[in-house]
Amino acid sequence: ETGVTQSPTHLIKTRGQQVTLRCSSQSGHNTVSWYQQALGQGPQFIFQYYREEENGRGNFPPRFSGLQFPNYSSELNVNALELDDSALYLCASSWGLGAGGSGNTIYFGEGSWLTVV
Amino acid sequence: KQEVTQIPAALSVPEGENLVLNCSFTDSAIYNLQWFRQDPGKGLTSLLLIQSSQREQTSGRLNASLDKSSGRSTLYIAASQPGDSATYLCAVRGSNTGNQFYFGTGTSLTVIP
Repeated sequence: ETGVTQSPTHLIKTRGQQVTLRCSSQSGHNTVSWYQQALGQGPQFIFQYYREEENGRGNFPPRFSGLQFPNYSSELNVNALELDDSALYLCASSWGLGAGGSGNTIYFGEGSWLTVV
Repeated sequence: KQEVTQIPAALSVPEGENLVLNCSFTDSAIYNLQWFRQDPGKGLTSLLLIQSSQREQTSGRLNASLDKSSGRSTLYIAASQPGDSATYLCAVRGSNTGNQFYFGTGTSLTVIP
């Protein structure tokens, strides 16, 4: 039990639709990162938020966007869904500047399984 | 760009055996390396975190080593148990590649009773 909770756990969307995934970080953590994990692959970094501002972005198009709220919870929004967006979306929280701050462990949630049909 | 490789991709061993999982990375400029466990359909559970200045970390039956200069890490599991069956992922955070962790594709471990 990491204290990082994600919702929904599973969802099915149609190509072209939009989706919002939510993450509550572990208590005391001010940094949230989002990762996409396709089947059989390792997680790929989407972006990170630190104190409500984007603080790093991976190689994902602008239709992937996010927010971090004052309580440090976060949302991942994906517009114009494509079939290749089908994946497990993982949220990770940590304390401090950057993923892992000054070397702190990052903690992952159970993920949200997205299927695009 | 940092690339992380894990060998073997899959491993099957009888219960009680000691085993080693390998992880290599191309850019030795890292802040830290972390080993995770992932059960089917689940999120990632952190096992061990090694800072760039450290050589190894131990937790119970697990021991992780880091040779930053050669770009290698190993995860040693002693006296394997069926409950150890899972996918093991290593991830590195670079010191000059932003805030992201770069993951390998994992080693799928099956421990046979």
